[in-house]
Amino acid sequence: QQQVKQSPQSLIVQKGGISIINCAYENTAFDYFPWYQQFPGKGPALLIAIRPDVSEKKEGRFTISFNKSAKQFSLHIMDSQPGDSATYFCAAGDTDKLIFGTGTRLQVFP
Amino acid sequence: GAVVSQHPSRVICKSGTSVKIECRSLDFQATTMFWYRQFPKKSLMLMATSNEGSKATYEQGVEKDKFLINHASLTLSTLTVTSAHPEDSSFYICSATRQGDGNEQYFGPGTRLTVT
Repeated sequence: QQQVKQSPQSLIVQKGGISIINCAYENTAFDYFPWYQQFPGKGPALLIAIRPDVSEKKEGRFTISFNKSAKQFSLHIMDSQPGDSATYFCAAGDTDKLIFGTGTRLQVFP
Repeated sequence: GAVVSQHPSRVICKSGTSVKIECRSLDFQATTMFWYRQFPKKSLMLMATSNEGSKATYEQGVEKDKFLINHASLTLSTLTVTSAHPEDSSFYICSATRQGDGNEQYFGPGTRLTVT
């Protein structure tokens, strides 16, 4: 009930392409679904987050799609840039804690 | 706003010694602070949750006597790794929540611990 499954493990995208990362959760009590970006040797930084009362949220080139019935959510990075190359983590949780996905290493090539 | 710092950023200690890591919320009062551990190329694993003035809540499998957490004020939490061993070498990251921001956690830059 506490797992958050994330795929793919790694992703290679050409500059300008769309990067898509998927996550699935189990606990229906979770009400907060953030995505984090992490560069090597640094702490994670919040990219965008969504709550289950909406199905999509867009901020700049980043979009979260949320499917409550399927207990799935995904991150779309439009117009991917080499500077987006990093590890991305989804998470799911509530006021008490966040459970992190296993991470996706994104590489964007020029 | 909502900046979290950690000190030190890197620490090397000998096996059997103890090391303290500080986590500070610089521009806000943290309602709750969290400590995570991250192995290379792995995900963040929650170790414990702490609130100011009360005992930390540890996740299953985390040794309370080995990883001592003190949350003395609304802006400072410390993690002490006692009697460190090489297998404790890891990246330790703290985060904090701010009143009014709901679930959002603000993460520190992490502390790389190497036990020789």
